[in-house]
Amino acid sequence: SAVISQKPSRDICQRGTSLTIQCQVDSQVTMMFWYRQQPGQSLTLIATANQGSEATYESGFVIDKFPISRPNLTFSTLTVSNMSPEDSSIYLCSVERGGLFFGPGTRLTVL
Amino acid sequence: RKEVEQDPGPFNVPEGATVAFNCTYSNSASQSFFWYRQDCRKEPKLLMSVYSSGNEDGRFTAQLNRASQYISLLIRDSKLSDSATYLCVVNEMGGSQGNLIFGKGTKLSVKP
Repeated sequence: SAVISQKPSRDICQRGTSLTIQCQVDSQVTMMFWYRQQPGQSLTLIATANQGSEATYESGFVIDKFPISRPNLTFSTLTVSNMSPEDSSIYLCSVERGGLFFGPGTRLTVL
Repeated sequence: RKEVEQDPGPFNVPEGATVAFNCTYSNSASQSFFWYRQDCRKEPKLLMSVYSSGNEDGRFTAQLNRASQYISLLIRDSKLSDSATYLCVVNEMGGSQGNLIFGKGTKLSVKP
């Protein structure tokens, strides 16, 4: 298993602002994944963050909207930029360790 | 992207009951399969992998039918603590777990 922490756990933000979510893992991992879970929907992969290279984004997600940093092998950030109410969701980071393990999530509400 | 379909439920069952969930996937080339459990307002947690030969973990049995492209999860002797949403998950491409496709989940409520 893996111990993953995320900050903040929740936030309420105004339209047009940006929020950076932090993810910390208890040991080094090659890849970290960022998912989104919108109300009543399945988890959707936003991007894969590799240390030392640019993140790989899934169809429908772009770097300008969701910039990602991966400064070392235990940490990553996801920024939700220029937010709108449609960005209200739970954002989860995850790592692979014999299965996919998730952080506790960040519950974002955009007004 | 291909789909993973689940009955959303909810399944309301009494304690001690046996309950089964099915899941279908559309990509016949899918490589590996999992069941995750998600409690209310919590993150998903891996419950078990699903192997071609079927596998059992205590009260939980998972089956895979590649020909029909469906996966099942059987829970015997349901406990109150089994109440959660069960997510069917398929890895389409093998390799990285980041290629996982999640179903929307089946909600289970076990009543006293």
